[in-house]
Amino acid sequence: AQTVTQSQPEMSVQEAETVTLSCTYDTSESDYYLFWYKQPPSRQMILVIRQEAYKQQNATENRFSVNFQKAAKSFSLKISDSQLGDAAMYFCAYRSGQGGSEKLVFGKGTKLTVNP
Amino acid sequence: DSGVTQTPKHLITATGQRVTLRCSPRSGDLSVYWYQQSLDQGLQFLIQYYNGEERAKGNILERFSAQQFPDLHSELNLSSLELGDSALYFCASSDAGRVSTQYFGPGTRLTVL
Repeated sequence: AQTVTQSQPEMSVQEAETVTLSCTYDTSESDYYLFWYKQPPSRQMILVIRQEAYKQQNATENRFSVNFQKAAKSFSLKISDSQLGDAAMYFCAYRSGQGGSEKLVFGKGTKLTVNP
Repeated sequence: DSGVTQTPKHLITATGQRVTLRCSPRSGDLSVYWYQQSLDQGLQFLIQYYNGEERAKGNILERFSAQQFPDLHSELNLSSLELGDSALYFCASSDAGRVSTQYFGPGTRLTVL
């Protein structure tokens, strides 16, 4: 079974600075997808960024980018120019690319605080 | 707004009772997923439906059941409720593509007293 580990329960960053959230995963599959979701105090789960394992290029969405290291099974999220609205829980998630279940397996999350 | 709707937003009930949570997927999405978020278990996959058929089952208790209707909305039924069932229940939907992404609804907060 696949597992996702987020080793940082909490992180903090100063407004306008850069922060990196860590995520590692364990799988024997070669075809899969990785995601970062954001959960602000409203509890809504919001997709931040997605990475396909077969793509070598790291995904980028505006101020959010990932460092995908397939061999190391690492998938970190970098937030640049942090804003107060980035304060939230961040969840790393894994989805198999093989047929059958498309369930997401989540890490336990990292709580990000942004200090003004 | 993800386009996924869930009702009700909050539900307070007593142990032993039965409740139904409802989800309407994004327009055009055939797959619906249910997840439970609790403090001790984190976010856990419960069940997936695709175009009316059950596609995958996760850690769903026997007291819980779900279905997806012809109009693609889904309901999650929770019965014989226990205190430990108190959690945030999310519905998500995705299209049928191979690289589909799941979009989440706002969740239903269930409190069992």
